[in-house]
Amino acid sequence: EAGVTQFPSHSVIEKGQTVTLRCDPISGHDNLYWYRRVMGKEIKFLLHFVKESKQDESGMPNNRFLAERTGGTYSTLKVQPAELEDSGVYFCASSQDYRGTGGANVLTFGAGSRLTVL
Amino acid sequence: RKEVEQDPGPFNVPEGATVAFNCTYSNSASQSFFWYRQDCRKEPKLLMSVYSSGNEDGRFTAQLNRASQYISLLIRDSKLSDSATYLCVVNTGFQKLVFGTGTRLLVSP
Repeated sequence: EAGVTQFPSHSVIEKGQTVTLRCDPISGHDNLYWYRRVMGKEIKFLLHFVKESKQDESGMPNNRFLAERTGGTYSTLKVQPAELEDSGVYFCASSQDYRGTGGANVLTFGAGSRLTVL
Repeated sequence: RKEVEQDPGPFNVPEGATVAFNCTYSNSASQSFFWYRQDCRKEPKLLMSVYSSGNEDGRFTAQLNRASQYISLLIRDSKLSDSATYLCVVNTGFQKLVFGTGTRLLVSP
């Protein structure tokens, strides 16, 4: 079974530019999540899709971040315009329908997209 | 105060040693609990879920104390391959995981 794949693995851009990160979840996983780790800090939740709908986007830092999941398959996370503080590792994760797991939400993470804003 | 607190370490132990990590969480409504392992520059991977009755998976034992809002992970007979960062993770009930900063373990020959 293919895991969660993310692209690019590393992106270096200048402040003010735009970057789009892509995530392909495990096939059949309705739940897709974006998390971010800024250097020296813990991994933090950004948002959660159930199929193509945004279930929870409470972790999105500001309106420079836009996440989409058209068709309920892959997702993109666009940062426009990028700022220095956006540097970090962006993780995507997916999970099956949690309702059948007693509420336990076991996520499988992708390898992450490392973003460096200069 | 952070929602999930862990001692960042590093914990330096020799092979064969037993080591324990602790974690506390602040949200009493938290519903599920996990330990994830993260190797350097890799993604977090689920090590084990943590149940109220405590659970064991080989050399790893996890305990949960809901009254004290405390989670622990015990690793027996440490191997070199156990060297990694161990992340305490809590699901607050909204399908949103809250991570601790991680505890770094270094196992030496």
